[in-house]
Amino acid sequence: TQLLEQSPQFLSIQEGENLTVYCNSSSVFSSLQWYRQEPGEGPVLLVTVVTGGEVKKLKRLTFQFGDARKDSSLHITAAQPGDTGLYLCAGGENSGGSNYKLTFGKGTLLTVNP
Amino acid sequence: GAVVSQHPSWVICKSGTSVKIECRSLDFQATTMFWYRQFPKQSLMLMATSNEGSKATYEQGVEKDKFLINHASLTLSTLTVTSAHPEDSSFYICSVSSGEDTQYFGPGTRLTVL
Repeated sequence: TQLLEQSPQFLSIQEGENLTVYCNSSSVFSSLQWYRQEPGEGPVLLVTVVTGGEVKKLKRLTFQFGDARKDSSLHITAAQPGDTGLYLCAGGENSGGSNYKLTFGKGTLLTVNP
Repeated sequence: GAVVSQHPSWVICKSGTSVKIECRSLDFQATTMFWYRQFPKQSLMLMATSNEGSKATYEQGVEKDKFLINHASLTLSTLTVTSAHPEDSSFYICSVSSGEDTQYFGPGTRLTVL
C-alpha cells in the first residue's frame, strides 16, 4: 500500500488569510483527489486531478498535481469561516482488474477564525 | 455525483451483540462499494472492497469473519459487525464507485459499543 503524507496536520488562521496544504508520496498515483469532511459527515469530493502538472480551480481553491504525479497541493485564497473542515487527499491506484482503491492521507484540520 | 445513504446514522449497542449497517446508492448503479473506518481525529482506513455478486476483498488486518459484507445488489451493501466490542466503536463510512477512481461517500454511521 502506498502512503500519503499531508502537511500541516493542523492549521488555524484568520479570515482573509491564504493557506496551502500539501500532500506528498514517494509513489506514483493514477489520480489524486481532494475531499473536505465536516464532523460527523462523510467526505465530499472537491476535485480529481489525473495529469502531471495539472492545475484546477474551484472558486477560491486551487489544486495542483505534481509533474511526477507523486504530490499535490491545495491553495485557498482569502479563507472564510465556511472553509473550516478536515481536508483529505487520496491517491487512486488500480487494485486489480477494473477496480481502483483510494489511499487517504491523514488529513489537515483547518480552522478559519472570523 | 452519486447520492449515497447510510442507515442507521448512529447506533449504540451492548458488547457481544451484532450490528448491521446499510449503504444504499440512491441514483447510481454501484458495481463496487467500499467500507471505511475512521477513528476520532484520524483519517479513513479502507476495510474492504465489495463487488456486486462476489465476495468482498478485505484489507490486511481486517477480520472477514468479524466484519461481514454483503453486496447483493447494485444499490445495496451491508456491513455487519459481529460480536461487537468497545474497540469496534468508530465511524463507519461507505462509498460507491463505477470502477473508476472517483468515489462518492455516504454520510457515515457512528457506532458506539458499550
